[in-house]
Amino acid sequence: SQKIEQNSEALNIQEGKTATLTCNYTNYSPAYLQWYRQDPGRGPVFLLLIRENEKEKRKERLKVTFDTTLKQSLFHITASQPADSATYLCASHNNNDMRFGAGTRLTVKP
Amino acid sequence: DTGVSQDPRHKITKRGQNVTFRCDPISEHNRLYWYRQTLGQGPEFLTYFQNEAQLEKSRLLSDRFSAERPKGSFSTLEIQRTEQGDSAMYLCASSLGGGRRTDTQYFGPGTRLTVL
Repeated sequence: SQKIEQNSEALNIQEGKTATLTCNYTNYSPAYLQWYRQDPGRGPVFLLLIRENEKEKRKERLKVTFDTTLKQSLFHITASQPADSATYLCASHNNNDMRFGAGTRLTVKP
Repeated sequence: DTGVSQDPRHKITKRGQNVTFRCDPISEHNRLYWYRQTLGQGPEFLTYFQNEAQLEKSRLLSDRFSAERPKGSFSTLEIQRTEQGDSAMYLCASSLGGGRRTDTQYFGPGTRLTVL
């Protein structure tokens, strides 16, 4: 069956370090992947989108990669700050099928 | 505020009662999605509309759930004969999807349902 998985429930890092979150998908080939941020009690907020023909996308301190051979996307936050603490969700869209991973809860400690 | 809005934000009901939620999407968006999210999980797709047409429903969506988008603007999600397992956050999202446009979705704040 088609799956999208984020391989860690929680990630704790020190302020200033780079956070790296992983998203893997199996048994399908999404046309693009998206990353969202979700704070407690709120809806997800769109951050970045990367298409299957793009290797890397950047936005300020954020970077996303898409490796169609490994079937994996990596999401990086450089120079992390306590305000980056949140749950980060990856999502894939293939035809009309939108799937979200379970999310990775990131905590950045001062 | 021109974002996606949902009403109510919180709903507590007794098992067996019917509940209805409303979603107002971003005005120029033609697609509207409903998701359910439980603690520690990502949003789970329920159904979506393109304009007023309901184009897809999840196989997980029981017949107690029904959604409408009568004029292609706001949408309602009704749950009949609620069960305790229906307790979750119900999220609505809208987008300018379709064709070659990538389907970036903009989410509302959600409606948290608690079934006692």
